[in-house]
Amino acid sequence: DTGVSQDPRHKITKRGQNVTFRCDPISEHNRLYWYRQTLGQGPEFLTYFQNEAQLEKSRLLSDRFSAERPKGSFSTLEIQRTEQGDSAMYLCASSLRQGYGANVLTFGAGSRLTVL
Amino acid sequence: KQEVTQIPAALSVPEGENLVLNCSFTDSAIYNLQWFRQDPGKGLTSLLLIQSSQREQTSGRLNASLDKSSGRSTLYIAASQPGDSATYLCAVRVLNSGGYQKVTFGTGTKLQVIP
Repeated sequence: DTGVSQDPRHKITKRGQNVTFRCDPISEHNRLYWYRQTLGQGPEFLTYFQNEAQLEKSRLLSDRFSAERPKGSFSTLEIQRTEQGDSAMYLCASSLRQGYGANVLTFGAGSRLTVL
Repeated sequence: KQEVTQIPAALSVPEGENLVLNCSFTDSAIYNLQWFRQDPGKGLTSLLLIQSSQREQTSGRLNASLDKSSGRSTLYIAASQPGDSATYLCAVRVLNSGGYQKVTFGTGTKLQVIP
């Protein structure tokens, strides 16, 4: 297992198109997170899965955004009708509960979206 | 709502200098705090994690401390090297109102170590 994998690494699209990002977490990790990061800012929480259940969604996740984790393994983040403001780095992280207080986030390299 | 602040936003030091990065948070009822490093255009690499019951963690030239009561954490880097140049982010994990864990990041400190 080489860690958290994200695909594609960079996507350039025209405004109004749909895009989908994929995240493959560390295999034994049951928790998966999506974050969005713009230049000069820290990552902002988008959504969180425990196994296949989507337990929390940020208000940042508008109706154009949808995330799934159908089998509790990989996850997809789809953005419909992209807007220029969606341009950002989309980061995926996973973690495993290792006992009370222990929950280390491991991040992927990110998928950079550029909307023209 | 948890707010996480990192000061300074940018820091430039000569090689070999010891330095301290600061992280402050508004809700002291945290679960843990994690320090990350991010290189330009890349994802985040975990450096240290401090549990809420701990006061510090060490890894090589890095030492992170936690003072929950004052809502502060520091990351100490000893004998800085040009390879330490990166953005350093702190992230605080709390239990939200729904009983789920939520992680909030600071905006980071961009460090440049000059050879």
